[in-house]
Amino acid sequence: GENVEQHPSTLSVQEGDSAVIKCTYSDSASNYFPWYKQELGKGPQLIIDIRSNVGEKKDQRIAVTLNKTAKHFSLHITETQPEDSAVYFCAASKRSGGGADGLTFGKGTHLIIQP
Amino acid sequence: DTGVSQDPRHKITKRGQNVTFRCDPISEHNRLYWYRQTLGQGPEFLTYFQNEAQLEKSRLLSNRFSAERPKGSFSTLEIQRTEQGDSAMYLCASSSDLGLSGANVLTFGAGSRLTVL
Repeated sequence: GENVEQHPSTLSVQEGDSAVIKCTYSDSASNYFPWYKQELGKGPQLIIDIRSNVGEKKDQRIAVTLNKTAKHFSLHITETQPEDSAVYFCAASKRSGGGADGLTFGKGTHLIIQP
Repeated sequence: DTGVSQDPRHKITKRGQNVTFRCDPISEHNRLYWYRQTLGQGPEFLTYFQNEAQLEKSRLLSNRFSAERPKGSFSTLEIQRTEQGDSAMYLCASSSDLGLSGANVLTFGAGSRLTVL
């Protein structure tokens, strides 16, 4: 099955600086890579996703890059703000057409924005 | 539509008791998932429904766990004879079948936190 590794487990950055979280996956058939943000006491919320036919996607201060050859993808947050503090999860899945297409998650990165 | 709803949000029970969680997905979503999340870990897949049919179950889902989605709308997850190791956040998610060209975008609920004493 799919295995997703995520680094670092904790990331502390100064407000206004950039944050980068990296993930690798094992199944070359995976073709969908979402990122979720989870705040304390809440469920994960989708913040951005990328499909395998795209190398980069940007949404305001958030961007995701995908390298299918190396099987890794990264989340970039620029101009970090206090409200960016949360746990971020990467995930991978494949569109099999008949299966659950459930997500395999990384273990999460606790992002701390220092004022 | 207010998203995916889960009830109860918190449940404290004694070892050996049975507990049941309910999930109300987004109304137009035909796919429903249950995940389990323990402290410091990412969510782990438990089971999946397409409409009322339970199509996949993880090996994490022991025979003490049962899930149903009787009318293809809400779902219940029951844990019988709870053990301390069952303590976790149980997350429900739903999505719609976008066809082979689409990605499976999951929307999660806030979760039901179970504490087994």
